[in-house]
Amino acid sequence: GAGVSQSPSNKVTEKGKDVELRCDPISGHTALYWYRQSLGQGLEFLIYFQGNSAPDKSGLPSDRFSAERTGGSVSTLTIQRTQQEDSAVYLCASSPRQGTYNEQFFGPGTRLTVL
Amino acid sequence: AQSVTQLDSQVPVFEEAPVELRCNYSSSVSVYLFWYVQYPNQGLQLLLKYLSGSTLVKGINGFEAEFNKSQTSFHLRKPSVHISDTAEYFCAVSTSGGSYIPTFGRGTSLIVHP
Repeated sequence: GAGVSQSPSNKVTEKGKDVELRCDPISGHTALYWYRQSLGQGLEFLIYFQGNSAPDKSGLPSDRFSAERTGGSVSTLTIQRTQQEDSAVYLCASSPRQGTYNEQFFGPGTRLTVL
Repeated sequence: AQSVTQLDSQVPVFEEAPVELRCNYSSSVSVYLFWYVQYPNQGLQLLLKYLSGSTLVKGINGFEAEFNKSQTSFHLRKPSVHISDTAEYFCAVSTSGGSYIPTFGRGTSLIVHP
């Protein structure tokens, strides 16, 4: 079946602009995660959803970052007033359900470049 | 809180040689351990996982890892690497206390030379 997809694959924007990153999880997966991957920094956890609710938003780096999930499926990560330090690869992952040790299935990521 | 340390940022090795990628974790509760691989311009893919039971875990592509509770380690090994194994490898740990959200290490870049 189809895996996790993300769009766009690449996004170049100017400092101060808003961007939206989209994630389509595997059908039926109730848990969805967003990570940020900066060069040499590993994966930084941003937020996760169980269904449409986000129990833990503590990983969001600032109030310029927000995320939502609708219909228990598609999720959108929005970055307002982008800064150069927001440049990174944003990865989305899904798993069958939260609260267990299920593996995560990752999308290919969106590479964001803020000029 | 849980944490993961990958001791080597880069590991160069010649083709057909053995390799070990090191991972140490810190946690006060029982852990679940994972190794993921990331090929260029792709997302992460699960190599193997330790949940319970046998401490030696076998995964895809000939990789294996051993859970050592006393040394809090979960090193990844392969007896003979191929050029195609060149990739970034991430160790991750999750616990019930952390809502099962994995904490990832910084990654180890495995570079296989011909």
